[in-house]
Amino acid sequence: AQTVTQSQPEMSVQEAETVTLSCTYDTSESDYYLFWYKQPPSRQMILVIRQEAYKQQNATENRFSVNFQKAAKSFSLKISDSQLGDAAMYFCAYRNRGSEKLVFGKGTKLTVNP
Amino acid sequence: KAGVTQTPRYLIKTRGQQVTLSCSPISGHRSVSWYQQTPGQGLQFLFEYFSETQRNKGNFPGRFSGRQFSNSRSEMNVSTLELGDSALYLCASSLRTGSTEAFFGQGTRLTVV
Repeated sequence: AQTVTQSQPEMSVQEAETVTLSCTYDTSESDYYLFWYKQPPSRQMILVIRQEAYKQQNATENRFSVNFQKAAKSFSLKISDSQLGDAAMYFCAYRNRGSEKLVFGKGTKLTVNP
Repeated sequence: KAGVTQTPRYLIKTRGQQVTLSCSPISGHRSVSWYQQTPGQGLQFLFEYFSETQRNKGNFPGRFSGRQFSNSRSEMNVSTLELGDSALYLCASSLRTGSTEAFFGQGTRLTVV
């Protein structure tokens, strides 16, 4: 079974600074997807960024980028120029290709200080 | 384009009762998955439906069941409620199984007293 581990229960960053959230995962599969989801107090899970395992290039979405290390099974999220609206719970998630089942980490609560 | 709609948003039930939660996926989406979110266990997969068929089921007791209708709307049912069933129940929809992106609803907050 696949597992996802987020070792930082809480992180804080100053507005306009950069922060990196860590995620490691375990799987014996070679073809899968990795995601970072954001869950603000409104509770709705919002997709931040996704990475396909067979793509070596790290995904980037505006201020959000990932460092995907497939051999190390590591998938960290970097948020640049942090904004107050980035404050939320961030979940790292794994999914096998061909399946809808997402396996989530326990989450990291990000606080952005003005 | 309307998002994923979950109803009701909040629900309070008594131990032993049963409850039905509803999820309307984004128009055109045929795959619906359900998740339970609790502070202790985090987000756990309940089940996945595609074209009215359950494709995958998580490690939950038989008290948890679901179904999907021909219009892709899905319901999940929990019978004989226990205090530990108190949670946020999230529904996600996608175009098809294995789509690269799943879209989540805002969830139903169930409280069992």
